[in-house]
Amino acid sequence: GESVGLHLPTLSVQEGDNSIINCAYSNSASDYFIWYKQESGKGPQFIIDIRSNMDKRQGQRVTVLLNKTVKHLSLQIAATQPGDSAVYFCAETLRAAGNKLTFGGGTRVLVKP
Amino acid sequence: EPEVTQTPSHQVTQMGQEVILRCVPISNHLYFYWYRQILGQKVEFLVSFYNNEISEKSEIFDDQFSVERPDGSNFTLKIRSTKLEDSAMYFCASTTETQYFGPGTRLLVL
Repeated sequence: GESVGLHLPTLSVQEGDNSIINCAYSNSASDYFIWYKQESGKGPQFIIDIRSNMDKRQGQRVTVLLNKTVKHLSLQIAATQPGDSAVYFCAETLRAAGNKLTFGGGTRVLVKP
Repeated sequence: EPEVTQTPSHQVTQMGQEVILRCVPISNHLYFYWYRQILGQKVEFLVSFYNNEISEKSEIFDDQFSVERPDGSNFTLKIRSTKLEDSAMYFCASTTETQYFGPGTRLLVL
């Protein structure tokens, strides 16, 4: 079936450095992508989204890049802080209202002081 | 800022017992979802709900599961006869476009 996958299960990064988390998706029909952050014992928290008609979108300290040619999504976190330590999931969907999200397997980011 | 809430935060039950997990979605949202996450695994879709009926369900969502919106604000997930493998975090989400998740209910079936 269609799936979303992640290349790096754990990423260790020095505080203040930039982090890059990657995600590959396989459903070429997906047109809406979301990055979620999940801290221990909590629900997924929305970080940033991007529609398939864009290839880059910036938020506060975060940037999402979408490469539809190779079906690849990445999340860049600038100046990583201890509070960024969490598991990050990408999710894909069809943007029409009500469609389910298909999540990737998650990448754990550990920020070293 | 409005948020999705869920109760209880933790539930321990005996195998074969019924459990009801409760969610209060964000008030102007129209689409509601249940997902689950087995420890250490990714989040999996269970069911979506719109206009008082199920719009999509996964193969996990078998006859032991049901959902209901009993009173216009709550959204519940019932597991009729729990199995050991139902132990997981259960997340409710609601949306107009982006899905916002609740904090989850940790269900432990003994």
